[in-house]
Amino acid sequence: DTAVSQTPKYLVTQMGNDKSIKCEQNLGHDTMYWYKQDSKKFLKIMFSYNNKELIINETVPNRFSPKSPDKAHLNLHINSLELGDSAVYFCASSPKRGHSPLHFGNGTRLTVT
Amino acid sequence: GENVEQHPSTLSVQEGDSAVIKCTYSDSASNYFPWYKQELGKRPQLIIDIRSNVGEKKDQRIAVTLNKTAKHFSLHITETQPEDSAVYFCAANYPFGNEKLTFGTGTRLTIIP
Repeated sequence: DTAVSQTPKYLVTQMGNDKSIKCEQNLGHDTMYWYKQDSKKFLKIMFSYNNKELIINETVPNRFSPKSPDKAHLNLHINSLELGDSAVYFCASSPKRGHSPLHFGNGTRLTVT
Repeated sequence: GENVEQHPSTLSVQEGDSAVIKCTYSDSASNYFPWYKQELGKRPQLIIDIRSNVGEKKDQRIAVTLNKTAKHFSLHITETQPEDSAVYFCAANYPFGNEKLTFGTGTRLTIIP
């Protein structure tokens, strides 16, 4: 009964392709996030949704588009993949935004060749 | 917005000794400071957090101290064990608007048996 589950775990694809990563949480949390962790292990927030409403949209190329069909799901679609998109992408959720613990998914390792 | 600096970037300690990781933050309004542990190939997991109304918090071998005046907080691990080897991240919130949580750059802690 994984609290925050994301799929796929690994994603290997070629430049120029379009791919999606799915995330679901069963914790009843209001807020969900996408973080990117690069090869240097830096954790950078990309997007945050609170009750299906976009509240954080960092300086991310518009090739990245999040979608939240309901507050338990936050998917990430990436168009025209580039080599620099290779990273581990973590989905996370929290009961409230900003001042409560984050619960991370197990990550999706994206490799663009 | 918030800026979080974390030091050192790498730390090696002998098993049984103590380890200390330090972070500074820029926005005096920040009021929530969590610490996450990320083992190799795994997701970040919360190990301890502190709010601005307390100066210290302990949980078994782990403690966090907060100095609001100096705007810094530290993680202390006593009696270190091999399973403490991981990357540790501090974070601080920006308590206005989107209430974003900003992470430090991480400390790779290695426990030498």
